[in-house]
Amino acid sequence: KNEVEQSPQNLTAQEGEFITINCSYSVGISALHWLQQHPGGGIVSLFMLSSGKKKHGRLIATINIQEKHSSLHITASHPRDSAVYICAVISNNNDMRFGAGTRLTVKP
Amino acid sequence: NAGVTQTPKFRILKIGQSMTLQCAQDMNHNYMYWYRQDPGMGLKLIYYSVGAGITDKGEVPNGYNVSRSTTEDFPLRLELAAPSQTSVYFCASSYASGTSPLFGPGTRLTVL
Repeated sequence: KNEVEQSPQNLTAQEGEFITINCSYSVGISALHWLQQHPGGGIVSLFMLSSGKKKHGRLIATINIQEKHSSLHITASHPRDSAVYICAVISNNNDMRFGAGTRLTVKP
Repeated sequence: NAGVTQTPKFRILKIGQSMTLQCAQDMNHNYMYWYRQDPGMGLKLIYYSVGAGITDKGEVPNGYNVSRSTTEDFPLRLELAAPSQTSVYFCASSYASGTSPLFGPGTRLTVL
């Protein structure tokens, strides 16, 4: 079993829909990252969080340390949000472990 | 700043050939990382470095070597290429452990 599990693996939505991507992890962590990988392959960091909630534009990330769970929400989704979203955790011994990613397709 | 640069973008190797994937960053970051990304799998750490002259193995180091003679450069060497090394390779850097990493554009390597 992977230390970082994401769900769903694939997600198709209509433009305007509210989207949730989930991440569960089984190790102790100091921080969690949400990354975005566009079809061209480039990876950018969206959020780093260790507690609570962060918001950036239409993106919201939450984390529950006790439940070892994080969610990434996209409000009013748009075709340009189509990408692979990757959850990554920094374990307590400073290793970075990655989920397999969630492929999101937003249709106009 | 150019950020994190990687060369080449694409490469096809024959089994047994060797090559070096180049990675450079101009942000004076101490930490640098090499990852491989296989289809349907999460990124796996190959090697990392916490500063010039210091390197450490990650999860999947077999078949690879690295060096860090300067803060800026962190090349990854494949000595005897094998089909199992067909993957996309990403270099990343960060100022400190746990801070948001900045990724390079990736190198797509095929070993035939």
